[in-house]
Amino acid sequence: EAQVTQNPRYLITVTGKKLTVTCSQNMNHEYMSWYRQDPGLGLRQIYYSMNVEVTDKGDVPEGYKVSRKEKRNFPLILESPSPNQTSLYFCASSPRPLTTGFFGPGTRLTVL
Amino acid sequence: AQSVTQPDIHITVSEGASLELRCNYSYGATPYLFWYVQSPGQGLQLLLKYFSGDTLVQGIKGFEAEFKRSQSSFNLRKPSVHWSDAAEYFCAVYNTNAGKSTFGDGTTLTVKP
Repeated sequence: EAQVTQNPRYLITVTGKKLTVTCSQNMNHEYMSWYRQDPGLGLRQIYYSMNVEVTDKGDVPEGYKVSRKEKRNFPLILESPSPNQTSLYFCASSPRPLTTGFFGPGTRLTVL
Repeated sequence: AQSVTQPDIHITVSEGASLELRCNYSYGATPYLFWYVQSPGQGLQLLLKYFSGDTLVQGIKGFEAEFKRSQSSFNLRKPSVHWSDAAEYFCAVYNTNAGKSTFGDGTTLTVKP
């Protein structure tokens, strides 16, 4: 089954404790992207990747890192999480940019 | 910088009535425009997209959208709303590099029986 998976789905952590949210797709897609969704603010793009080893900043990259060492995986890294990073995070992928996008189920992160 | 405005935070329509959700964008070149739907507790699903050509775009679930360059708008329409259409709708613009995307704040649709 074609899908984008994210882990964990729910996470509660404390300020400053490094964490990684994994994103994996099984469709051999070139394009992957991370978003955060906050009430009243829609989705805001954090980082995107056009292909392996090619990443670029979205609108809200501060406090986040990404890597794209293999086509299928695009982890989101929070080196020192803060409470303002409490949010719902979505990973998405598509064969190429602008083609039909597949969204993961979301990861709800709470930073205390 | 690109931006998207969805002027209506919340819209309520009766089942069977027509629907129009507004989207205005700001972008320096020809935009790539998308509409997504998000049901409660779910991820986003692509409804339709516009790249070029015919300004009236058909999508899934009976939705359509019209691109109007003169008004910088890309409004979503449906002639007859079903109760299952209740969800949150997002308009998005992608830049010509096709990597960077900007979403509107969303419009929540409530459908009255």
